[in-house]
Amino acid sequence: AQKVTQAQTEISVVEKEDVTLDCVYETRDTTYYLFWYKQPPSGELVFLIRRNSFDEQNEISGRYSWNFQKSTSSFNFTITASQVVDSAVYFCALSHLYNFNKFYFGSGTKLNVKP
Amino acid sequence: DTEVTQTPKHLVMGMTNKKSLKCEQHMGHRAMYWYKQKAKKPPELMFVYSYEKLSINESVPSRFSPECPNSSLLNLHLHALQPEDSALYLCASSPGTARQQLYEQYFGPGTRLTVT
Repeated sequence: AQKVTQAQTEISVVEKEDVTLDCVYETRDTTYYLFWYKQPPSGELVFLIRRNSFDEQNEISGRYSWNFQKSTSSFNFTITASQVVDSAVYFCALSHLYNFNKFYFGSGTKLNVKP
Repeated sequence: DTEVTQTPKHLVMGMTNKKSLKCEQHMGHRAMYWYKQKAKKPPELMFVYSYEKLSINESVPSRFSPECPNSSLLNLHLHALQPEDSALYLCASSPGTARQQLYEQYFGPGTRLTVT
């Protein structure tokens, strides 16, 4: 069974604070992919990152960084020096190689960044 | 061009109406998707088209009828909807469906549908 858990329903921070969004997944597959998407109030889901199960290197892109730990089945997302424009709902998603069209989305974490 | 466009942005329809949602992409993607998203919930997959053929139908009621006229266009025909079908309908596309490679999906802005 595939499952993604985002335990944090909503997080509020003040601008310039760092914030980490948690994502824990379950899968019996050895080959799978993990994704993060951002959904601002406008509604469009914006792709942020894709990571496959063989690549455990952490990634940094500007103020964004991702920590993939297979040992704990987690793929956490950190925003450094948060900004008001980061306010959105963030979804973590899982897919596996042999059912590649199906994304299993977590329930999402709503991030509020206050000025 | 990494854009997926959807029309209309908003749609209000009665339960006896017939309407269509449209989605277009010009990225050369060969897989296209329809999702339904209720408020404060993640997107739920409805249909997947791969190389213009329907490859996944997630047990969606027949009042939703997808159509893929060509590799750039995806339609969702709506007929006799219920108020509980009110939601954000998102279209997405991805480069391909090769078994050795999984691609991210690119989403359009969605159509906010209200059924009265």
